[in-house]
This record gives sequence, structure tokens and C-alpha cells, in this order.
Amino acid sequence: ETGVTQTPRHLVMGMTNKKSLKCEQHLGHNAMYWYKQSAKKPLELMFVYNFKEQTENNSVPSRFSPECPNSSHLFLHLHTLQPEDSALYLCASSHEAGLINEQYFGPGTRLTVT
Amino acid sequence: GQQLNQSPQSMFIQEGEDVSMNCTSSSIFNTWLWYKQDPGEGPVLLIALYKAGELTSNGRLTAQFGITRKDSFLNISASIPSDVGIYFCAGQTQGGSEKLVFGKGTKLTVNP
Repeated sequence: ETGVTQTPRHLVMGMTNKKSLKCEQHLGHNAMYWYKQSAKKPLELMFVYNFKEQTENNSVPSRFSPECPNSSHLFLHLHTLQPEDSALYLCASSHEAGLINEQYFGPGTRLTVT
Repeated sequence: GQQLNQSPQSMFIQEGEDVSMNCTSSSIFNTWLWYKQDPGEGPVLLIALYKAGELTSNGRLTAQFGITRKDSFLNISASIPSDVGIYFCAGQTQGGSEKLVFGKGTKLTVNP
């Protein structure tokens, strides 16, 4: 079983809704990441947190708002999304941000925006 | 920006056949990684390569870090049905930045 869990696994939301994705890692890591995976496109890094501090925002629209209250938990708050935001959102963690090549992925949340 | 060209996009093979896929780039990478993603799951790291020319095996999987540092390939020998999935390459540039550049993936189907 992966040490990174994500909830919910599936989410359908309207464009005016507000929802949150949750990620939890049980590996004792200090870095956590949000990725977006769209069909037929490479994984896109969205945000990086290292020791609870955001160290990377890859030009992500403000309708996506991350939160990292501690090294084990990462949230992605969603509001006024667009249909093109429908994708698989993957969380990952690694011991620290410099060790991105040793990151572990969660199973993802399949998001559909209607 | 940096891009990885991964090919083929998809493969349909018979059980027992060998498989080869590769990634190329115009940029130099310091690290090459190969992941597999099963349906409904996140990617899982298969092999990591850290040195130009390095050849590394993991069971029936073998991967090589190209000598020019701009490419890598993954071979799967004697494929079995559970090899089905999407295989991704990823590269990390020099300087150990926090970013990985991913390929678009190769979708593998194995017919029993």
C-alpha cells in the first residue's frame, strides 16, 4: 500500500462550487507536491512545499489554492473552476524537495468540472 | 521550455514478447527516471539512472541513460499481462532543481 493517500478519489463539481482535495503522507517526508495529469499531456507540476513552506508555484491560476498545515498534510482548495480543469490531480512526497527523484505518488483524485 | 519526446505513444503486443520504448530531448538531463502507472493509481518509480551510459536492471526491466545525456530507453523482456499500464520517462536537469520534466507516456497493452 502506498504511503501517500488522497481523498476523495473522485469528485464532480460545478463551476461555482468550492471543494478541497486532501493528501496525507505516512512516510515521514518533508516535501509534498501537487501535480495535474491531463489526457495525452505530460504531468504538470503545480506546487511544491518543503518543510511546510511553498517553494514552487508553477504559474497556477489563483482558482487553485494550496495549503500545507504540516509536513504530513497537503490540501488543494478549488473554487470557480473551469471545465478544462478536469483532470487527475496527483499528490506526491519526498524526504525533501531536493530529492524529487525519490518521490512517492498518491493514487490521485479524478476531478470532473461540469 | 524543456520537453521530452516519448515514443511510441502506445504498443499492443503478445504475451512473451519484448518491449522497447524511449525518450529523447534537446536538453541535457542529470537524472533519468522511469515510472509505471496502473489504471486508477499514481505513478510508481521503476528505475532511476544517474550517470551517462549507465545500464540498470530491475527484474525483467532494463533501462539505459544515453551517453549524450539527452535520451534514455526502457526495455521489458518476456512481457506478461500485468505489465499493462502507462510508462513514463522523466528527466531532472543539472543543479538538482525541484522539477522533473515528464514524457507523455507509452500505453502498453499485452494480449494473453
